Amino acid sequence: DTAVSQTPKYLVTQMGNDKSIKCEQNLGHDTMYWYKQDSKKFLKIMFSYNNKELIINETVPNRFSPKSPDKAHLNLHINSLELGDSAVYFCASSQRTGKGNEQFFGPGTRLTVL
Amino acid sequence: AQSVSQHNHHVILSEAASLELGCNYSYGGTVNLFWYVQYPGQHLQLLLKYFSGDPLVKGIKGFEAEFIKSKFSFNLRKPSVQWSDTAEYFCAGRNQAGTALIFGKGTTLSVSS
Repeated sequence: DTAVSQTPKYLVTQMGNDKSIKCEQNLGHDTMYWYKQDSKKFLKIMFSYNNKELIINETVPNRFSPKSPDKAHLNLHINSLELGDSAVYFCASSQRTGKGNEQFFGPGTRLTVL
Repeated sequence: AQSVSQHNHHVILSEAASLELGCNYSYGGTVNLFWYVQYPGQHLQLLLKYFSGDPLVKGIKGFEAEFIKSKFSFNLRKPSVQWSDTAEYFCAGRNQAGTALIFGKGTTLSVSS
């Protein structure tokens, strides 16, 4: 009955590799997000998707690409991984009716690039 | 630019002490503010939120926050902390477009028993 789930929980990989992180929500929300939490625990929005449309993309390198097969899933694909990509990536979802609804977060994926 | 700032980087308290964590936001217009908690190794959980109405908001686990528009503040309070409150606390505000949350840099709370 997990609301927002992510796989994998941990991901260790070499520089230059391509990897994907999957996210699924069963809350019936129409908007999903990816946030990056750096080593200082600072959280910053990367992407959000609303009804399969990318609605923001905050200064994220184009090596990162969100892919949403349906409104319950928002996967994050990363090409040519770099050391600086090491972080915890959180998926979240919300219902975008109005502007006040809270976001529900997944458990996070800790990415380590060696 | 819109921003959310948290004054305290690391707060250390003894059990039963009172807690107040500062949060200020820098934008006007419609304000939606949140406090999230992240326990060690876990995901973010919502403590409380402010959309409109009563500026004193009650949340889970005995936390409350007060929205003071004139001070652009939304400080988190708890009258008596417990060891289990040890966690990272994040203040966040919804951006003006309503498309994402802007987070503060977080406050680490350490409670000793």
